[in-house]
Amino acid sequence: QVTLKESGRVVLKPTETLTLTCTVSGFSLNDARVGWSWIRQPPGKALEWLAHIFSNDGKSYNTSLKNRVTISKDTSRSQVMLSMTNMDPVDTATYFCARLSTWAYDFDYWGQGILVTVSS
Amino acid sequence: IVLTQSPGTLSLSPGERATLSCRASQRIDSKFLTWYQQKRGQAPRRLIYGASTRHPDTPERFSGSGSRTDFTLTISRLEPEDFAVYYCQHYDGSLYTFGQGTNLEVK
Repeated sequence: QVTLKESGRVVLKPTETLTLTCTVSGFSLNDARVGWSWIRQPPGKALEWLAHIFSNDGKSYNTSLKNRVTISKDTSRSQVMLSMTNMDPVDTATYFCARLSTWAYDFDYWGQGILVTVSS
Repeated sequence: IVLTQSPGTLSLSPGERATLSCRASQRIDSKFLTWYQQKRGQAPRRLIYGASTRHPDTPERFSGSGSRTDFTLTISRLEPEDFAVYYCQHYDGSLYTFGQGTNLEVK
């Protein structure tokens, strides 16, 4: 059974850096058939893809975030990390990690999400 | 590519048939069109991928169809647990895009 769980600081002040960790169970980060993504959802709004990473460490980012986002992984700990700099109140959202299927390039397993609030 | 879902809100009763639309701003490969269901306070759940293939645990009352720019999610007979928000999603080779969602509510 594949499970993903997000963790990290949930309240930040403007200009701080967000760091989130996704811990994956039941599936290896070394498996080349899948990737791992971060997706966010502001309250009451639609989903927005942020980044993905593959087993070979290949990465891709949503260019609308203007180089604020970094994705990385620690295979030995089965963790995928997200860093986002210069946080602003508009970045308040639930952040999800998800497994990326490379057959359909979609997201077949999701974490429960973590609500991050940015406020002064 | 922009995905536009309609209607924004759909009010139906249990037992009725639901038809949800997802329109792409240009022709897309149907292999990369996925539908998700999201219940309040939960993560999205994949229902249909490749425009028409059900995820292993998706009930048979859910079906997907369409091609080129127009895609449809149909729920043949609504169950109480089907009232939720539904999103379509596409990958264009560099960007994953979601529609704005259709809120399926109880009439």
